Amino acid sequence: GAGVSQTPSNKVTEKGKYVELRCDPISGHTALYWYRQSLGQGPEFLIYFQGTGAADDSGLPNDRFFAVRPEGSVSTLKIQRTERGDSAVYLCASSTGDANIQYFGAGTRLSVL
Amino acid sequence: DQQVKQNSPSLSVQEGRISILNCDYTNSMFDYFLWYKKYPAEGPTFLISISSIKDKNEDGRFTVFLNKSAKHLSLHIVPSQPGDSAVYFCAAMNAGNMLTFGGGTRLMVKP
Repeated sequence: GAGVSQTPSNKVTEKGKYVELRCDPISGHTALYWYRQSLGQGPEFLIYFQGTGAADDSGLPNDRFFAVRPEGSVSTLKIQRTERGDSAVYLCASSTGDANIQYFGAGTRLSVL
Repeated sequence: DQQVKQNSPSLSVQEGRISILNCDYTNSMFDYFLWYKKYPAEGPTFLISISSIKDKNEDGRFTVFLNKSAKHLSLHIVPSQPGDSAVYFCAAMNAGNMLTFGGGTRLMVKP
């Protein structure tokens, strides 16, 4: 079946603008994760959904970042008033919820000019 | 405070030889460890994992060793192939939740 799909693959925006990043998990996967990877570093956890609810949002850096998963499938990561420091690759992963292996999408490369 | 560390940013190995990638962690609550491989412009791809109740897991050319007392794990690739050239990330998990990643090691396998 299809893997985790993330759109867009690249997003260029200006400082202060609002952006939305989309993640379509593997069909049937109940758990969905967002990570952020800056250049030369490993991915860092942002938020985790189990079904429709955010089970753990402790990794969100500040209140400009918000994520939703209204129907328990597709998720959207929303960033308000973007800053240059938000530039990174945003990765989404999904899992079955009762297994430890997370499967990643190719990511969205966000560039804030 | 980095809870998972990969102290070697890069490693170069000759084709056919063994590649050993190392990873150290500080959080004794981690109970599951994974290795991911990443090519440029792609997401991390799951490679192999190990539960904290085991000390070794093998899958083809890939073997992961876990030393809980030293809080250290390693990935062995033998024999190494040019297609193994990629960035390898060690990741740790506590209670089946979020992954905590190391900074990655770039492996270059020379023909």
